Amino acid sequence: GNSVTQMEGPVTLSEEAFLTINCTYTATGYPSLFWYVQYPGEGLQLLLKATKADDKGSNKGFEATYRKETTSFHLEKGSVQVSDSAVYFCALSRISSGSARQLTFGSGTQLTVLP
Amino acid sequence: SQTIHQWPATLVQPVGSPLSLECTVEGTSNPNLYWYRQAAGRGLQLLFYSVGIGQISSEVPQNLSASRPQDRQFILSSKKLLLSDSGFYLCAWKSPGVGEQYFGPGTRLTVT
Repeated sequence: GNSVTQMEGPVTLSEEAFLTINCTYTATGYPSLFWYVQYPGEGLQLLLKATKADDKGSNKGFEATYRKETTSFHLEKGSVQVSDSAVYFCALSRISSGSARQLTFGSGTQLTVLP
Repeated sequence: SQTIHQWPATLVQPVGSPLSLECTVEGTSNPNLYWYRQAAGRGLQLLFYSVGIGQISSEVPQNLSASRPQDRQFILSSKKLLLSDSGFYLCAWKSPGVGEQYFGPGTRLTVT
């Protein structure tokens, strides 16, 4: 079956530090890959996506590249801000014949950025 | 543009009482709809999904049920709440044929 593994948190960084949150997946075929962000007390927001190998998704300074050879989709940001403090979820989606596509989520990584 | 609403935002209910949470989507038609629960911690558990009016698929057996009486309305219900039903309930929608889902603001349910 499909699965997503994220690095264990929590992750604590100082403002302007470089961020990497690792994500690897297991799936047959070619899934689409996503990063979602959840701020305290809110729903999940789609941060970025990639639908095929070597695609790079980017948004708000965050980037992730779909690496089929390593089955990875690591999230990076060059300089984090206090406002980036949130929980980050990696997810994949595959076509499932006869039913709606579903998302398989990682367990989430808590990021805290200190001023 | 599309928007998704959930209400109520917070709810405190005694054990054994009924539950009704509502989710509506605007600005799209024939969406796929989803209910998730997020317990203490961060993991997301898919509870139900629907590909059309009256079509409900259950992912986890429990004392919850879901209904889709209209194209853009999705309701989560229970006849008798348990303490273990406490959590953060999230509704999501997506267009058929794409992978990304869009989430509502959530309902915080506390069962006392």
